[in-house]
Amino acid sequence: GAVVSQHPSRVICKSGTSVKIECRSLDFQATTMFWYRQFPKKSLMLMATSNEGSKATYEQGVEKDKFLINHASLTLSTLTVTSAHPEDSSFYICSASPLRRPNNEQFFGPGTRLTVL
Amino acid sequence: GNSVTQMEGPVTLSEEAFLTINCTYTATGYPSLFWYVQYPGEGLQLLLKATKADDKGSNKGFEATYRKETTSFHLEKGSVQVSDSAVYFCALRVGGGADGLTFGKGTHLIIQP
Repeated sequence: GAVVSQHPSRVICKSGTSVKIECRSLDFQATTMFWYRQFPKKSLMLMATSNEGSKATYEQGVEKDKFLINHASLTLSTLTVTSAHPEDSSFYICSASPLRRPNNEQFFGPGTRLTVL
Repeated sequence: GNSVTQMEGPVTLSEEAFLTINCTYTATGYPSLFWYVQYPGEGLQLLLKATKADDKGSNKGFEATYRKETTSFHLEKGSVQVSDSAVYFCALRVGGGADGLTFGKGTHLIIQP
């Protein structure tokens, strides 16, 4: 149980285009979903926290107009990288916190590798 | 702010060797501490956790003890196996499940047969 999926697993796009990444909790409902970014040989950096039906909370330094987060349901959150540029190339990882175990662990998706040409 | 520092790899050991991966932290509050493991091509999985001082988390032969006095949460295993080869992340969370995690940079562990 507690499986989180991400789609797509890899995406390559041209500079200036927008890319949407989906994060789904497959067998549980998630109160909260998180988006992280991982640079090579660096730690995962929390980008934003999203709660179903409300606006996402962004970490300091993360541009909310560039990284649009929509948490439309208790099982789906999307991250849209708008007007992507090569510096946005990274590994994006989501996680989800179960509805009925709010103080328990977060379950992570397998990640999405974004390459912007 | 919150931060996690862990030894950088790669760490290369022979099978059945003793493993220690150091992790220290700074936190504004009273954190919960975690070790996550990332196998090649897979997402992060929780390995073990501890929520208060002197708690010992354990799983799959791995152990880590929450040391408040030294702000540490070192990961240990008495006898590693080739299948333990992965990247290990130390992390903390201040607050409950609605709060994000602060991660260390990860330690790449390579176990040779």
